Amino acid sequence: EAGVAQSPRYKIIEKRQSVAFWCNPISGHATLYWYQQILGQGPKLLIQFQNNGVVDDSQLPKDRFSAERLKGVDSTLKIQPAKLEDSAVYLCASSFWHGELFFGEGSRLTVL
Amino acid sequence: AQSVTQLGSHVSVSEGALVLLRCNYSSSVPPYLFWYVQYPNQGLQLLLKYTSAATLVKGINGFEAEFKKSETSFHLTKPSAHMSDAAEYFCAVTLEGNSGGSNYKLTFGKGTLLTVNP
Repeated sequence: EAGVAQSPRYKIIEKRQSVAFWCNPISGHATLYWYQQILGQGPKLLIQFQNNGVVDDSQLPKDRFSAERLKGVDSTLKIQPAKLEDSAVYLCASSFWHGELFFGEGSRLTVL
Repeated sequence: AQSVTQLGSHVSVSEGALVLLRCNYSSSVPPYLFWYVQYPNQGLQLLLKYTSAATLVKGINGFEAEFKKSETSFHLTKPSAHMSDAAEYFCAVTLEGNSGGSNYKLTFGKGTLLTVNP
C-alpha cells in the first residue's frame, strides 16, 4: 500500500516569496492534516480536512497561509508571502480511524 | 483542553540499558494516547496507542507503555536499548469523545531526543 506522498522534500526561498507544498494521502483516507514542525518542537496542527471540507483551521495564519483539498483527495498548502519564522518542516498526514495518523516524509522549508 | 508534557528534551542511554521516556497528559475526559517515533529526515511513525482497553500497551520494536490514570502518565519503556532506537519520540493525546469522526485530531508534546551510546 502506498504511503502519504509529499513534494517537494526541500525548498529554499527568500522572505516575501511564495511556496506551495503538495500532499497525496493514502487511498480511502477521508481525513487529511497539515502540521508545522519547527526545529526542536512537536508538530503543530495547521489545518484539518474531512473529505474536501475544512474541520479545523484555527491555528492557520490565514493572512499568509492557505490550503485546499479539491475533490477530497490531494491537498496543497501555500505560503505567500513567506517570513523567516515559517522555516520548518511541513508534515502531511492522513487517517481513516482513531488516531492512527499516517505521515508523509515532510517538506522542509528554509526561508532566507 | 488537552495537552501533553514530555519530561526531558534529551535522554541518553547506553546500548543494552533500559529506555524510559516520560509523558504526562492533561485532559478533562478519558484520553486516547499515542507514542510516535521520528527518524532523521523522515515523517512520524506510530509506535503504540492506548484507546481505553488494556492499560499496558505493547508496540513495535520492543517498546511498551503503561497508562496510569492516577498519575496521568503514559511513559514509554524498552528493556534494552539498541543503536537503531536513536530517534526523536513524541507523545500525543486526543480526547475519547473526539475519537473518530471529523473532530479527531492529535496534540503533540515537544518531543524527546533519544541517543544510544555504544
